[in-house]
Amino acid sequence: DQQVKQNSPSLSVQEGRISILNCDYTNSMFDYFLWYKKYPAEGPTFLISISSIKDKNEDGRFTVFLNKSAKHLSLHIVPSQPGDSAVYFCAASLTQGGSEKLVFGKGTKLTVNP
Amino acid sequence: NAGVMQNPRHLVRRRGQEARLRCSPMKGHSHVYWYRQLPEEGLKFMVYLQKENIIDESGMPKERFSAEFPKEGPSILRIQQVVRGDSAAYFCASSPLLGRTTQETQYFGPGTRLLVL
Repeated sequence: DQQVKQNSPSLSVQEGRISILNCDYTNSMFDYFLWYKKYPAEGPTFLISISSIKDKNEDGRFTVFLNKSAKHLSLHIVPSQPGDSAVYFCAASLTQGGSEKLVFGKGTKLTVNP
Repeated sequence: NAGVMQNPRHLVRRRGQEARLRCSPMKGHSHVYWYRQLPEEGLKFMVYLQKENIIDESGMPKERFSAEFPKEGPSILRIQQVVRGDSAAYFCASSPLLGRTTQETQYFGPGTRLLVL
């Protein structure tokens, strides 16, 4: 049972255009959402996050949108740059009884073409 | 401020051997998490530890796997009698003290890639 889904395994975008990465979740108990970026042979790098009480968070070129009623979040990158090419993981945080764990999607490989 | 450190970066073991993976959290971080990533999959939670305590091991296989985070030294993920299915990337993450009203981000190490022959 996959609680966090990234339905697009890959996305290709032209440099300068917008990249939109999508993520759906099923567990309404998730209280925090994060996006991580991962290069091959490296660990995930934290990119941006959003609390479940907000619907938007922006940091430079990166904006995350949360639609709680649809259980959907998206990451917008604008303008996209070739250096943004990586695998992007959506993660949802579940905090219960003092324990926190992240539930990850399978990732979307973004390719930004020059 | 050094990031999360993991060693070794690559580990090759034959079936039946033991694998020990080490993780040193970021300075000031007292929470350690271990995740496993199988090929073409996302990261899967294994265990969450604080110093000398296992808080949540709901993602750990019931047998052969154990984890510790001693008072001194790194956190250790130990896999006994490895099998080919244990081949994966194992990532450690750390975070500061979890506040009641504050969500603390987990920061990941570079991972240990375990290959079981």
